[in-house]
Amino acid sequence: GNSVTQMEGPVTLSEEAFLTINCTYTATGYPSLFWYVQYPGEGLQLLLKATKADDKGSNKGFEATYRKETTSFHLEKGSVQVSDSAVYFCALSESTDKLIFGTGTRLQVFP
Amino acid sequence: DGGITQSPKYLFRKEGQNVTLSCEQNLNHDAMYWYRQDPGQGLRLIYYSQIVNDFQKGDIAEGYSVSREKKESFPLTVTSAQKNPTAFYLCASRYRDRNSPLHFGNGTRLTVT
Repeated sequence: GNSVTQMEGPVTLSEEAFLTINCTYTATGYPSLFWYVQYPGEGLQLLLKATKADDKGSNKGFEATYRKETTSFHLEKGSVQVSDSAVYFCALSESTDKLIFGTGTRLQVFP
Repeated sequence: DGGITQSPKYLFRKEGQNVTLSCEQNLNHDAMYWYRQDPGQGLRLIYYSQIVNDFQKGDIAEGYSVSREKKESFPLTVTSAQKNPTAFYLCASRYRDRNSPLHFGNGTRLTVT
């Protein structure tokens, strides 16, 4: 079946460091891919998405490229801020019924 | 502004009581979903509905029930049969399109003592 695997957290960085959060997926077809962010006590917010191979999603300085050959959708940001501290979820959608989520990766950014 | 409204934000109940969590959306989305999130954990799908008057069980449906009488509304009832109901509950919706992202409400934190 379809699945999403994210790197274990927490990821701990200093402010202005480079961020990578790895996400790989297993799917039978050609899914759409998403990154969500969750701040404490809140629901998930869509961060970015990509719907076909080689698409790059970007938002608020975050980027992720849909790599079909490596079945990956890694999240990157060139310079993180304390306000980026949150939990990040990778997800895929291959049909109209439901999304498959990864387990989430906590990011902690210190001044 | 369009969005998803979950109410209340905090809910307290005694063990043995049923409780209903509200979820309303004005995004004209076809599909609606309920997830459960435990502290430090990911999301687990409870129920989802793609059209009015129809819904499907997710991965952890036991002890929960839902209804979808209107497109805008998808209430979740946590019954006394749910063995460990204390959790953070998230409602979401989207168009019936695989490219459509989920839009989430801000959640209801249920505490049962």
